[in-house]
Amino acid sequence: DTAVSQTPKYLVTQMGNDKSIKCEQNLGHDTMYWYKQDSKKFLKIMFSYNNKELIINETVPNRFSPKSPDKAHLNLHINSLELGDSAVYFCASSQAWASGRGEQYFGPGTRLTVT
Amino acid sequence: TQLLEQSPQFLSIQEGENLTVYCNSSSVFSSLQWYRQEPGEGPVLLVTVVTGGEVKKLKRLTFQFGDARKDSSLHITAAQPGDTGLYLCAGASLKTSYDKVIFGPGTSLSVIP
Repeated sequence: DTAVSQTPKYLVTQMGNDKSIKCEQNLGHDTMYWYKQDSKKFLKIMFSYNNKELIINETVPNRFSPKSPDKAHLNLHINSLELGDSAVYFCASSQAWASGRGEQYFGPGTRLTVT
Repeated sequence: TQLLEQSPQFLSIQEGENLTVYCNSSSVFSSLQWYRQEPGEGPVLLVTVVTGGEVKKLKRLTFQFGDARKDSSLHITAAQPGDTGLYLCAGASLKTSYDKVIFGPGTSLSVIP
């Protein structure tokens, strides 16, 4: 069984379009994250949800809107896509929220290409 | 602002050689994790170190947390092609109500058969 899954794996779209990426985890974790990994492989946190509540919202354009319908799902909707949004987006989950450990389990990633 | 640095950025070695990767910061962390990421995949957690001076071994991989909990090292003995990947360190800081986790920029390791 896949622990953290994301769909789609690849997403190619044109500038100005709106797209969504879905994430599901079956680990029973309370906390989920969205990360962006750029072309230099730097992994940067975008959002974090704990039990469906938004906890961390880094400096991310308003065009990005996360939604957590339940604690096993965290989706990412992107409006008016721009060339600079091209990257690999990772969903992750962790078991404990305020434990000082922060161990995370990542999905396989969604490679977004904006043309 | 908390930052994690990793060195070297790139490393290419022959199979059978030993290597060490470093993760450094001026900040103190509650814990530090090491991840390995293979091409086209997400990072996979290798280990978490929590106590200053702690040493953990995972087969041919040895992880050490600095005494001051500001830095860490990953040593691989007799590297194999399967060790090829991007090694990421991540530091966790326990805030009032959540864990803040930051990632280093990674060390890209290539082990040549």
